Amino acid sequence: GAGVSQSPSNKVTEKGKDVELRCDPISGHTALYWYRQSLGQGLEFLIYFQGNSAPDKSGLPSDRFSAERTGGSVSTLTIQRTQQEDSAVYLCASSSLGGNEQFFGPGTRLTVL
Amino acid sequence: EDKVVQSPLSLVVHEGDTVTLNCSYEVTNFRSLLWYKQEKKAPTFLFMLTSSGIEKKSGRLSSILDKKELFSILNITATQTGDSAVYLCAVINAGNNRKLIWGLGTSLAVNP
Repeated sequence: GAGVSQSPSNKVTEKGKDVELRCDPISGHTALYWYRQSLGQGLEFLIYFQGNSAPDKSGLPSDRFSAERTGGSVSTLTIQRTQQEDSAVYLCASSSLGGNEQFFGPGTRLTVL
Repeated sequence: EDKVVQSPLSLVVHEGDTVTLNCSYEVTNFRSLLWYKQEKKAPTFLFMLTSSGIEKKSGRLSSILDKKELFSILNITATQTGDSAVYLCAVINAGNNRKLIWGLGTSLAVNP
């Protein structure tokens, strides 16, 4: 695709519900990153994929968070039993093999009531 | 521990002013430094710097890297209200899955 796309753009959910956030990277980009940005805060690294494998999951804040990537393309970030502190903008970025620049998607704004 | 520190945290200027944003870093196995502009949601790429002393320029924006003193600056001349944004600096650690280490950003407000 022309750029990184994410869906939904906004998600409002009730505490305790599960949510799935989707990221469609730039075609051909092998690396995919998930970040979280809370209001007024910097970018918080969550997880990194190289192809379908995730060599770095160090940023996932708890076992309620998981992510997968299939076919070396689309990735899904799942948050189970959402809490109010999960409210944030979730950003996805991708980069080419050997590339340094990360291209960001528009983000998903998650609000947990 | 790898870290990136940006200053100032926030800045308010008038249109036409020139601003200088700072980014200092402590990163093992440095590869590159990147500047991004974030207005609403997604950061957009501005510059990537790998070598010292070579200025990157795009219109009114320019940036330079000093690998000896471990910092970079981003200059914006003749600022416009459209320059209002958070400017993010990130550094790549070549040995750590090439993960970006992000600063907290500088929030720039340009008043008419």
